[in-house]
Amino acid sequence: DGGITQSPKYLFRKEGQNVTLSCEQNLNHDAMYWYRQDPGQGLRLIYYSQIVNDFQKGDIAEGYSVSREKKESFPLTVTSAQKNPTAFYLCASWAAPYSNQPQHFGDGTRLSIL
Amino acid sequence: AQSVTQLGSHVSVSEGALVLLRCNYSSSVPPYLFWYVQYPNQGLQLLLKYTSAATLVKGINDFEAEFKKSETSFHLTKPSAHMSDAAEYFCAVRSMDSNYQLIWGAGTKLIIKP
Repeated sequence: DGGITQSPKYLFRKEGQNVTLSCEQNLNHDAMYWYRQDPGQGLRLIYYSQIVNDFQKGDIAEGYSVSREKKESFPLTVTSAQKNPTAFYLCASWAAPYSNQPQHFGDGTRLSIL
Repeated sequence: AQSVTQLGSHVSVSEGALVLLRCNYSSSVPPYLFWYVQYPNQGLQLLLKYTSAATLVKGINDFEAEFKKSETSFHLTKPSAHMSDAAEYFCAVRSMDSNYQLIWGAGTKLIIKP
């Protein structure tokens, strides 16, 4: 079955440490997204990528970085510059943003500070 | 700027009662609209989408939504609530400013009373 795989499911970060969240999709979608979810705040867009080797900042990109070297993969790095990283992180992909096709989501990674 | 408003961060209904979750959007053109459901510690799952083919849209698990252009609304309903419907529900509209983004509501947590 096609889908989006996020790993790990739980991640702990030490002070001053960078951590990387993995997102892999086998849906052959061009566009991929990272969202941050905090209680009561809905989904906030961190970064998105429309095509390989290209990505754009979302609303809350500070303290995060991404890469898109392969169509299937869109890893997110939470850097030490992100002072409040504790949240639930969701990866999504989209086949055809110009149409009424929906975004597809992974099961998320919960990041906490040690 | 476009926006999506979900009225009520929490909605509580008794098992067997009607479920009504409200979503209002702002858009100057016919929108692409979506309802998603999120169970605890999971990703988002598509419930239904507005395709412009019909104003009443049926989704999974007996949910449906009615598109009302005059009211700029896309409210989600279910005739009879089950305990398994307890989850958070998100309404989203495709951005007119950027074809590669969705605009998200803040979410409504549905609580089912036995």
